[in-house]
Amino acid sequence: ETGVTQSPTHLIKTRGQQVTLRCSSQSGHNTVSWYQQALGQGPQFIFQYYREEENGRGNFPPRFSGLQFPNYSSELNVNALELDDSALYLCASSPQDRNNSPLHFGNGTRLTVT
Amino acid sequence: AQSVTQLGSHVSVSEGALVLLRCNYSSSVPPYLFWYVQYPNQGLQLLLKYTSAATLVKGINGFEAEFKKSETSFHLTKPSAHMRDAAEYFCAVSGDTGFQKLVFGTGTRLLVSP
Repeated sequence: ETGVTQSPTHLIKTRGQQVTLRCSSQSGHNTVSWYQQALGQGPQFIFQYYREEENGRGNFPPRFSGLQFPNYSSELNVNALELDDSALYLCASSPQDRNNSPLHFGNGTRLTVT
Repeated sequence: AQSVTQLGSHVSVSEGALVLLRCNYSSSVPPYLFWYVQYPNQGLQLLLKYTSAATLVKGINGFEAEFKKSETSFHLTKPSAHMRDAAEYFCAVSGDTGFQKLVFGTGTRLLVSP
């Protein structure tokens, strides 16, 4: 059983640029969530996708957007990068969209904005 | 809105000693509670979850947690620490939205000395 995989593992961008992060969900999982983890902090919920639709969003501006594809893989796009966007971005998948379903996390993409 | 407070950003124990990591939650609805562990440069791994069944929950690697509604607590314990337990531990709560969203605490770093 393949777990959640994310690419790239590390990325360096300049302020104002755009970035796309990718995630392959665990086999059999149809729900994907994205979290931002700043240094020394707990992960913060960005949004969730279920069956290719965004069905929940955290307190992040519209320049954070995403997609989910028919194979349940997902992308996180961030436009107009700011220095504060530097963080570890975690993707998580689960087999169903229920509050008691545990999330299975990937190893993350470390984004540095200079 | 739900929230989690983890008391102590760092906890140090000796190998073989009891591990106690504290978590208090705030929720206006019956919560689902989770403990995750994060090793350096990795994503989060689920240790255990409480979803309104037994109040004493056993997880992986010898960890367990007890849900105490009267104290709004969900502390994580392990009778005997191992060097390999050194990591960052996160408590999380969910259940007050129509979608799957985890609200994490700021984490507790467990240090284990020989």
